[in-house]
Amino acid sequence: NAGVTQTPKFQVLKTGQSMTLQCAQDMNHEYMSWYRQDPGMGLRLIHYSVGAGITDQGEVPNGYNVSRSTTEDFPLRLLSAAPSQTSVYFCATGRTATSPYFGPGTRLTVT
Amino acid sequence: GQQLNQSPQSMFIQEGEDVSMNCTSSSIFNTWLWYKQDPGEGPVLLIALYKAGELTSNGRLTAQFGITRKDSFLNISASIPSDVGIYFCAGQTFGAGKSTFGDGTTLTVKP
Repeated sequence: NAGVTQTPKFQVLKTGQSMTLQCAQDMNHEYMSWYRQDPGMGLRLIHYSVGAGITDQGEVPNGYNVSRSTTEDFPLRLLSAAPSQTSVYFCATGRTATSPYFGPGTRLTVT
Repeated sequence: GQQLNQSPQSMFIQEGEDVSMNCTSSSIFNTWLWYKQDPGEGPVLLIALYKAGELTSNGRLTAQFGITRKDSFLNISASIPSDVGIYFCAGQTFGAGKSTFGDGTTLTVKP
């Protein structure tokens, strides 16, 4: 049982490049979400999903896309990376939205 | 959008001392969550509160859901060095499917 896995752990991008951050869970959780954490700040919700085929925007969705084709996976896409997207990205899952469990994070730097 | 004010921003205490931190909001929440984050890791859920006035303990940690639904506090008794980390509160509104996080309280425990 791997829980919540995120890949890659570290990534450096150049401005304008695209990439996908992967999040997978093997706990059959319906709820999955993506947060970003900037230095000295709390976590801000980017997008979330309450089940396969259903996604919705969070607090800071601009510049990010998501899809939820399976219960297990919830990838986060950056279509054209910007330096303002330099951050640590956390995926979280849960049976409901009430008590999400967080993955280990992906540290992204955009130069 | 909803915002949480978490205080204090940081605390420096001696091992064995008790700690208290709190979160306040201008909006009502139906759920309060408390997380701890160790360096380089994702947040880990400590306590979840679902009812106004609820007082819940997890070992040396005790958290309460404020009667007004606009605040919550976390106490740590008899602190030890492994309590070091960043503590986050998070609030949820019923059916919203998303959490709003405070900016965190950084705890340092001196042996």
